[in-house]
Amino acid sequence: NAGVTQTPKFQVLKTGQSMTLQCAQDMNHNSMYWYRQDPGMGLRLIYYSASEGTTDKGEVPNGYNVSRLNKREFSLRLESAAPSQTSVYFCASSVTLSENQPQHFGDGTRLSIL
Amino acid sequence: AQSVSQHNHHVILSEAASLELGCNYSYGGTVNLFWYVQYPGQHLQLLLKYFSGDPLVKGIKGFEAEFIKSKFSFNLRKPSVQWSDTAEYFCAVNGITGGGNKLTFGTGTQLKVEL
Repeated sequence: NAGVTQTPKFQVLKTGQSMTLQCAQDMNHNSMYWYRQDPGMGLRLIYYSASEGTTDKGEVPNGYNVSRLNKREFSLRLESAAPSQTSVYFCASSVTLSENQPQHFGDGTRLSIL
Repeated sequence: AQSVSQHNHHVILSEAASLELGCNYSYGGTVNLFWYVQYPGQHLQLLLKYFSGDPLVKGIKGFEAEFIKSKFSFNLRKPSVQWSDTAEYFCAVNGITGGGNKLTFGTGTQLKVEL
């Protein structure tokens, strides 16, 4: 039962470098999400994808781009990393975008930007 | 806009003690409510959820939560905690707006259970 798989698990970048975080789910879910988790702030939604071919901004989208490559995969890209983007990033998926669908989370990517 | 407050940031209990973690939300309409747990080094897992009906919901591992609409609260309880309950607990709300599954999380409560 893989569920939601994120790669890599850890990454260190220098300011200005670019990076793509990968996420794949094998539950045939339609909707996928990217969150960042910072100490004392809980999880905040960066971008989400209601279904294959659509993406929308969440609460904190600045500095990020996303691609819904197919139904399984949803990637998050940092074009020019900044220290403020040091965080733990979680990908999640749900059956649909309906509010009563619980989200299933991956193990996270711990990203440090120097 | 919806928001969630978790008042206890750190809680330390002895095994067998009772647990209650507070969660209050701010949203004027109908809500779906969730509690997630994150064990050290692991991903968030759904503990329990409330959509409608009986305001007392039971989840996994002996946890339960009560939705009190008049108080905008959804507190998490467990009668007797175990060392293995050491984790961070997040309350989350999803206001029914038709705008999609956009969870708003609280800042989390770190629970440490001592032997």
